[in-house]
Amino acid sequence: EVQLVESGGGLVQPGGSLRLSCAASGFTFSDYAMSWVRQAPGKGLEWVSAISAGGTSTYYADSVKGRLTISRDDSKNTLYLQMNSLRVDDTAVYYCAGRVVAAKTYAFDIWGQGTMVTVSS
Amino acid sequence: EIVLTQSPGTLSLSPGQRATLSCRASQSVSSTYLAWFQQKPGQSPRLLIYGASSRATGIPDRFSGSGSGTDFTLTISRLEPEDFAVYYCQQYGSSPLYTFGQGTKLEIK
Repeated sequence: EVQLVESGGGLVQPGGSLRLSCAASGFTFSDYAMSWVRQAPGKGLEWVSAISAGGTSTYYADSVKGRLTISRDDSKNTLYLQMNSLRVDDTAVYYCAGRVVAAKTYAFDIWGQGTMVTVSS
Repeated sequence: EIVLTQSPGTLSLSPGQRATLSCRASQSVSSTYLAWFQQKPGQSPRLLIYGASSRATGIPDRFSGSGSGTDFTLTISRLEPEDFAVYYCQQYGSSPLYTFGQGTKLEIK
């Protein structure tokens, strides 16, 4: 079964840190460019960060640049998001999502179930 | 930065009716880079359409996408009860790499 499973979310104080993980199974993880997409409570989808297949290139939304770091370990089939200097407006469900590069769909065809990050004092 | 504006914000229709959802871009978008997603409450988004008009695997043919340039449309030809959800358009670009529209809520009338 094709699956992405996020973990690592929770409650953190403003200025704190969290590390999210996304474990992939059922497909060739290294063939996929991966992203993190978040959704604040009751709001729409916001792309946060992406990493190329192979991990040589990374991309960030302006709202998180310098605070969040995306990485991947293809030997462990896992995507990560290191979140530092967290702010209240980072509160959201964080989804990992992937697209198979070779298909050239430029759209996320695999999504995880999401992990909730709450930033509050 | 390309901004995607979806309309209407909410669409109230009955099962069996036709739904037409709009996504307008602030600058021209290559059709190759335009996608549509469906999201139901408590669920992750699901890819419906990529390349503006290609259905993703397993998507029923009542879903169709069209458009080019700055105007794109998602059409659901005959609404089924399970189609009532929120729909997002998304584009792949340069900076930011991906942009989503704000969503259209399709609700039962």
